[in-house]
Amino acid sequence: NAGVTQTPKFQVLKTGQSMTLQCAQDMNHEYMSWYRQDPGMGLRLIHYSVGAGITDQGEVPNGYNVSRSTTEDFPLRLLSAAPSQTSVYFCASGQPQHFGDGTRLSIL
Amino acid sequence: RKEVEQDPGPFNVPEGATVAFNCTYSNSASQSFFWYRQDCRKEPKLLMSVYSSGNEDGRFTAQLNRASQYISLLIRDSKLSDSATYLCVVFRKGKLIFGQGTELSVKP
Repeated sequence: NAGVTQTPKFQVLKTGQSMTLQCAQDMNHEYMSWYRQDPGMGLRLIHYSVGAGITDQGEVPNGYNVSRSTTEDFPLRLLSAAPSQTSVYFCASGQPQHFGDGTRLSIL
Repeated sequence: RKEVEQDPGPFNVPEGATVAFNCTYSNSASQSFFWYRQDCRKEPKLLMSVYSSGNEDGRFTAQLNRASQYISLLIRDSKLSDSATYLCVVFRKGKLIFGQGTELSVKP
């Protein structure tokens, strides 16, 4: 079973660039979410979705967009990358949550 | 004040020791409670759910006290492989809220 798959695993961006972090799950979970983890900060919820077509903001949504057109996919878009968005990003699905391997993102 | 608070540690213990982690949460409307384990900035993995009646899984025992808004995790006969960061997690209104994590290092 693939579980939760995140791509890419590593990415370096320049300030101002945009990109999409992909997340897919094959467990038919309704609930999906995105977190970022920074040193000493723990995991913080960016956006979450309780089903296709439904998304909501978490603790730190600014600078990020999400959409949920299918149950399987929940992409996270960085609109205009900033150095403060350098972090490790985790996607998760289900309740309790199952996490993907993470995307390590650096913004120069 | 953070909604979920943990002692960040690190806890340095010898093999075979018993170690206890504590966690407090500030919102009495919190619905579900979990302990997750995270190794070296890899993805968090569910260790166990936490119930008011207490629950045990091998060497691990978790307890919830709703009146005190307090969650605990006890690890008996600790192993080298238990070295990790332990995350206290609360579910409330569709969101998972993570504590900062407690680092455990088990030494030979």
